Amino acid sequence: EIVLTQSPGTLSLSPGERATLSCRASQSVRSNLLAWYQQNPGQAPRLLIYGASSRATGIPDRFSGSGSGTDFTLTISRLEPEDFAVYYCQQYGNSPRTFGQGTKVEIK
Amino acid sequence: EVQLLESGGGLVQPGGSLRLSCAASGFTFNTFAMSWVRQTPGKGLEWVSAISGSDGRAYYADSVKGRFTISRDNSKSTLSLQMNSLRAEDTALYYCARFLPCGGDCPFDYWGQGTLVTVS
Repeated sequence: EIVLTQSPGTLSLSPGERATLSCRASQSVRSNLLAWYQQNPGQAPRLLIYGASSRATGIPDRFSGSGSGTDFTLTISRLEPEDFAVYYCQQYGNSPRTFGQGTKVEIK
Repeated sequence: EVQLLESGGGLVQPGGSLRLSCAASGFTFNTFAMSWVRQTPGKGLEWVSAISGSDGRAYYADSVKGRFTISRDNSKSTLSLQMNSLRAEDTALYYCARFLPCGGDCPFDYWGQGTLVTVS
């Protein structure tokens, strides 16, 4: 099973700043089939990015994904108040599908 | 609007059974693969089971294989998860999720709000 390690655990930033979140896989993710989700308290996860770099429908272009193989990054170019949440990566190229443990983006 | 509404969670003793349901609306249910994903504060998000859209092929995580059974009723746009021989470690918030129709292996594009299962 592929283990996904997200870093940092918590990111303290101010609105308007740039956020860079990392997701590292224990082995190469087939075809870079990696997704990013956002989760707010008491809500279900929301798909942001799939295929490492494709934005899901309705996702603002301040969200971008990059990376390949074992190293992936989610970047939020300018944080809006609604972006302070927990972010998870998920690989779906290898069975079983696995998730990272999450990165919390909090207001500094 | 796509909606997924889970039900059936509750408190059950170890070794007991529970059946979760997910009522889907807003899309052509029988053309989408569906899945169950669970979440706990300690273990985070864990994929549990999935089922294909038309032929009903089922897939399970090793942690639930032989104890859980996923099924669907396309005539009622309903997804189910029969959970038997429940253990304390099955305690979690269970989400119903839809696979993005991206062709091939895809992530989850819609999730329900979850139903809480407590085994104690």
